[in-house]
Amino acid sequence: DGGITQSPKYLFRKEGQNVTLSCEQNLNHDAMYWYRQDPGQGLRLIYYSQIVNDFQKGDIAEGYSVSREKKESFPLTVTSAQKNPTAFYLCASSIVTAYSTDTQYFGPGTRLTVL
Amino acid sequence: ILNVEQSPQSLHVQEGDSTNFTCSFPSSNFYALHWYRWETAKSPEALFVMTLNGDEKKKGRISATLNTKEGYSYLYIKGSQPEDSATYLCAFRPGGGNKLTFGTGTQLKVEL
Repeated sequence: DGGITQSPKYLFRKEGQNVTLSCEQNLNHDAMYWYRQDPGQGLRLIYYSQIVNDFQKGDIAEGYSVSREKKESFPLTVTSAQKNPTAFYLCASSIVTAYSTDTQYFGPGTRLTVL
Repeated sequence: ILNVEQSPQSLHVQEGDSTNFTCSFPSSNFYALHWYRWETAKSPEALFVMTLNGDEKKKGRISATLNTKEGYSYLYIKGSQPEDSATYLCAFRPGGGNKLTFGTGTQLKVEL
């Protein structure tokens, strides 16, 4: 079964702790993305990566960090510097070609609650 | 940050009703417009990718139209069924980049 997996589904952390959210894909996609969803807002882009060992900040990167050491994996770390980390986090991936319209395929999401 | 708006925010219809909702996006530097369906407890699923002005796409009872000159797209559902209940998201991709900007979605509930 090809797809994107995110773990865990629910995550609870104490304020001030860093936490890493996992995202793995076996679709052989080059690009991967992290989004955040808050009530009443659209999906907002945190970070994205088009190729291994390279990534770019999205619209709301402050307080987050990522790595892309393998094509299949794009973990997101929510650091203690993120002022309002409680949210629903979605990972996505897509192929990248010169003429692609970049349809993104999404994982099931992780709901992070910081207590 | 680009402005992508969807209306209405939520919609309740009866089974068998036809319905439509709107996505507004910048009319300049257009590259593509995506529609996604997001059912509760599932991952967002791609419905359509639209690239040409005047484009019309259809998938079963769901269709979409695109007007890039005025910056809007309509999504139509004919004969709504309870399984159509979901949040419908649109996402705008400008030329020269590969990031998508999402609207806030239209939450559709189809009642028996």
